[in-house]
Amino acid sequence: AQKITQTQPGMFVQEKEAVTLDCTYDTSDQSYGLFWYKQPSSGEMIFLIYQGSYDEQNATEGRYSLNFQKARKSANLVISASQLGDSAMYFCAMRDNTGGFKTIFGAGTRLFVKA
Amino acid sequence: DVKVTQSSRYLVKRTGEKVFLECVQDMDHENMFWYRQDPGLGLRLIYFSYDVKMKEKGDIPEGYSVSREKKERFSLILESASTNQTSMYLCASSSLVDYGYTFGSGTRLTVV
Repeated sequence: AQKITQTQPGMFVQEKEAVTLDCTYDTSDQSYGLFWYKQPSSGEMIFLIYQGSYDEQNATEGRYSLNFQKARKSANLVISASQLGDSAMYFCAMRDNTGGFKTIFGAGTRLFVKA
Repeated sequence: DVKVTQSSRYLVKRTGEKVFLECVQDMDHENMFWYRQDPGLGLRLIYFSYDVKMKEKGDIPEGYSVSREKKERFSLILESASTNQTSMYLCASSSLVDYGYTFGSGTRLTVV
């Protein structure tokens, strides 16, 4: 069965520093997608970044990058130059790309950015 | 701006009531999803739909049903609400080629 594990319930980072949020996954599928979403205190889920299982390059979107290590089944999110507005819950997610678009989510990591 | 709209932000219902949570998207998306979010558990999939009148069970469908009579609308139904269904409910949609979902702002349901 597919599974997403986020082992850090909460993280602190100083403003302007980089932070890595951990995510490991388990799947027997060959084709899958990995996602990160941000959920601010307002509650809305915001899609941040996507990595396909066959993509050889790590995905980047502005200050977000996804450190994809396929052999280790990890998909860590790196946020560079943290800002106060980055304080939020972050969810790692995985989707089976072979059929259907069902996505499973991890338990989330709450990030606190300190001024 | 593309949108997924959930009809209620907060809802309080009594045990045993039939509850309808409505979700409407204006992006002509084929896929729609209902998740519930609980602290420490992340998001868990209740039901999803690939097309009108089509539905598939997710990981926790017990106590819920859904309806998709029109492409833009996906309703979640709690047949007889119970206190353990107190939660945040999130609706999402995606097209066949989207990478990510577009989420609604959520409905926080309290069953008393």
